[in-house]
Amino acid sequence: GENVEQHPSTLSVQEGDSAVIKCTYSDSASNYFPWYKQELGKGPQLIIDIRSNVGEKKDQRIAVTLNKTAKHFSLHITETQPEDSAVYFCAATPFDYKLSFGAGTTVTVRA
Amino acid sequence: DAMVIQNPRYQVTQFGKPVTLSCSQTLNHNVMYWYQQKSSQAPKLLFHYYDKDFNNEADTPDNFQSRRPNTSFCFLDIRSPGLGDAAMYLCATSGTGGTEKLFFGSGTQLSVL
Repeated sequence: GENVEQHPSTLSVQEGDSAVIKCTYSDSASNYFPWYKQELGKGPQLIIDIRSNVGEKKDQRIAVTLNKTAKHFSLHITETQPEDSAVYFCAATPFDYKLSFGAGTTVTVRA
Repeated sequence: DAMVIQNPRYQVTQFGKPVTLSCSQTLNHNVMYWYQQKSSQAPKLLFHYYDKDFNNEADTPDNFQSRRPNTSFCFLDIRSPGLGDAAMYLCATSGTGGTEKLFFGSGTQLSVL
């Protein structure tokens, strides 16, 4: 099955700086790559996703890039704010459902 | 306008006492999932229903069962909870065929005493 590795496990940034989280996947057939944000005591929420026919996608301060050749994708958060502090999970799937998750990155934005 | 609703939000049970967690959805998605999430870990898939077809993950203990009486509802039954089953249980739904965005509920935090 698909195996997703996520780095770093923790990330501390100064408010206003950028944060980057990277994931690699093992199955070259994977075609859907979402990112989830989970706040303490809540379920994960989808924040952005990308499909394999697209190299980059942006939504306000959040962007995701995909390198199919290298089998890795990254989440970029610009101009970080305190409310960006959370755990972020990447995921991938070669099917049209049933995601494989990375281990998560705890992001702390320092005021 | 909650789309995936889990009840209860917190559940306390005793060691060995059966417990049922519930999930309902208003999205009319054909796939429903149950995940177990322990502190500081990624969600771990226990099983999912693709319509009425039940799909168990290979490493899901027999202690965990599920029922899906209709499209909207799905239940997680833990027959004999152990201390190691204390966790957040997340229900999620998705469509298929290009609509596979996963929508999670807020979770049920299970404590086992």
